[in-house]
Amino acid sequence: GQNIDQPTEMTATEGAIVQINCTYQTSGFNGLFWYQQHAGEAPTFLSYNVLDGLEEKGRFSSFLSRSKGYSYLLLKELQMKDSASYLCAVKSKPGAGSYQLTFGKGTKLSVIP
Amino acid sequence: DAGVTQSPTHLIKTRGQQVTLRCSPKSGHDTVCWYQQALGQGPQFIFQYYEEEERQRGNFPDRFSGHQFPNYSSELNVNALLLGDSALYLCASSRDRGEETQYFGPGTRLLVL
Repeated sequence: GQNIDQPTEMTATEGAIVQINCTYQTSGFNGLFWYQQHAGEAPTFLSYNVLDGLEEKGRFSSFLSRSKGYSYLLLKELQMKDSASYLCAVKSKPGAGSYQLTFGKGTKLSVIP
Repeated sequence: DAGVTQSPTHLIKTRGQQVTLRCSPKSGHDTVCWYQQALGQGPQFIFQYYEEEERQRGNFPDRFSGHQFPNYSSELNVNALLLGDSALYLCASSRDRGEETQYFGPGTRLLVL
């Protein structure tokens, strides 16, 4: 089966850096996504890692270690608008031909002045 | 370029009733996944449709069924509604049976009374 763990809540200060961790146990691993979800809205795509290492995209970076079943999302120069839930999702291929996304419960980030 | 659209945005039903939710995928996408997201939780995978067939299914009862049309749009049907079916229902589209990034629609918020 699939198991994805991430912290439930985090608080950080405007302008600071925050790291949101995600650990997973899965079969047929095929990549890891991070999505941002503001309250009452749909998830929006942030990043995708399929190989080990760091992917940087502006203020957001995502890291993956497949051997450790571990990823993190790094947010720099935090802004108030970054207050949202951050969802870690593992892509796997449990059956022939189709891919599936399994989500963690999400980390609710609150950015304070 | 139209993104993923869903209708209706909100819906109120009573226990035992049936509901149909609709989704139009992003232009160029051929695969549709449906998710249920309870308050404070991550999205839970219901099923995936590709080439008008259900390709993958999550841990949901047979009361949850779906359909995909030749134009790739999709419907989610839920029969014999329970109070616990109250949630945000998200549709996500992608290409190639979910191999590429999934993009989410705004969701339908269902309340069962």
